[in-house]
Amino acid sequence: DAGVIQSPRHEVTEMGQEVTLRCKPISGHDYLFWYRQTMMRGLELLIYFNNNVPIDDSGMPEDRFSAKMPNASFSTLKIQPSEPRDSAVYFCASSLATPTNQPQHFGDGTRLSIL
Amino acid sequence: AQTVTQSQPEMSVQEAETVTLSCTYDTSESDYYLFWYKQPPSRQMILVIRQEAYKQQNATENRFSVNFQKAAKSFSLKISDSQLGDAAMYFCAYIRNQGGKLIFGQGTELSVKP
Repeated sequence: DAGVIQSPRHEVTEMGQEVTLRCKPISGHDYLFWYRQTMMRGLELLIYFNNNVPIDDSGMPEDRFSAKMPNASFSTLKIQPSEPRDSAVYFCASSLATPTNQPQHFGDGTRLSIL
Repeated sequence: AQTVTQSQPEMSVQEAETVTLSCTYDTSESDYYLFWYKQPPSRQMILVIRQEAYKQQNATENRFSVNFQKAAKSFSLKISDSQLGDAAMYFCAYIRNQGGKLIFGQGTELSVKP
């Protein structure tokens, strides 16, 4: 089975621009997670979905960040407008059923650089 | 709030030897899960091993094993017969049984010397 697929793998853009990160979870997985990884803050959960419904978005840093999951096979994380401090690696992960007894499978991440 | 602490930012081990990575956590929950993830330079997060808090027996996966001390809230990872491919960043993580957030430690960077 294909793993979690993220695109793009790298994104470089200027501050103020809109950035859209994409994720395709593993087929059949009910949970989808967006994480951000930085040297300063480590790995942080931004938001997660269950059956396409956002469950906890308390990790979303600001209103500039938004995430959607229009169907079971696709999710986006959007930053508008982007700022240099948003530079990080963004991971998407998915899990089957309850994420406690089913491990999360991570994508390869998107390295985002905001100039 | 739950927290996960990895007190060793960096560790080094000689190839074929054994190394132990430390992790402590803080929680008021009694039922939860603990994980070790590996992140090689390729960036991909790979699950190494998982421990259910209600199980007293320590989890093992081939050369990887854990020492789970629930009372001490300690969850260390032992890598036996270290291989060059084990070089990576290792993250300890916690999630409570009711689900929610997977909380990660800051990571330990492991280097393996030939």
